[in-house]
Amino acid sequence: QSVLTQPPSVSGAPGQRVTISCTGSSSNIGAGYDVHWYQQLPGTAPKLLIYGNSNRPSGVPDRFSGSKSGTSASLAITGLQAEDEADYYCQSYDSSLSASVVFGGGTKLTVL
Amino acid sequence: QVQLQESGPGLVKPSQTLSLTCTVSGGSISSGSYYWSWIRQPAGKGLEWIGRIYTSGSTNYNPSLKSRVTISVDTSKNQFSLKLSSVTAADTAVYYCASEVLGDYGGNFDYWGQGTLVTVSS
Repeated sequence: QSVLTQPPSVSGAPGQRVTISCTGSSSNIGAGYDVHWYQQLPGTAPKLLIYGNSNRPSGVPDRFSGSKSGTSASLAITGLQAEDEADYYCQSYDSSLSASVVFGGGTKLTVL
Repeated sequence: QVQLQESGPGLVKPSQTLSLTCTVSGGSISSGSYYWSWIRQPAGKGLEWIGRIYTSGSTNYNPSLKSRVTISVDTSKNQFSLKLSSVTAADTAVYYCASEVLGDYGGNFDYWGQGTLVTVSS
């Protein structure tokens, strides 16, 4: 049971837009902690996709965007491509757990 | 560009202690810009943060693992290490080391090692 809740799976056709939600509580996202997103391709280490709720590291396409509101955050992917098929994780901190790092359970994105 | 590389035994017997080392290259572990963290991922499951260490030696651990975890740093070798005691099959996972950016509102992990599979089995 993850502290941050993500849908287990989402899917979309090439070119479409999909969103992945990350729901927390008043002790993590709602407490003002930043949300970060990672993309994990099969058999590889996670890669930072979005940091500080909505910022993209250099090299990440602008098809990926992040937002945060209240106790939730979202990752949006537009112009879906086959290579976007991966697992996506949100990450934040939780004040009720001694400021521990917390991850969402992960969302498997399938490109139809 | 910072690079991290995990090393250690791939097989550990139940009840024994798992020991891994992360070697940092391309930057100094003493720079003060990062925490240095361990994260694990059981096969087919999600990511679990194990704990972190700062260059000063101060540590924070996941409360669910705190009683069994020790993270240490060797600045002379630009390495940090993980020890997890009394392991069981539930500790079988890919273990990653990562650099955690210091942030006022919680930092992110910007560099990751490739991960190393540790299997707990007799």
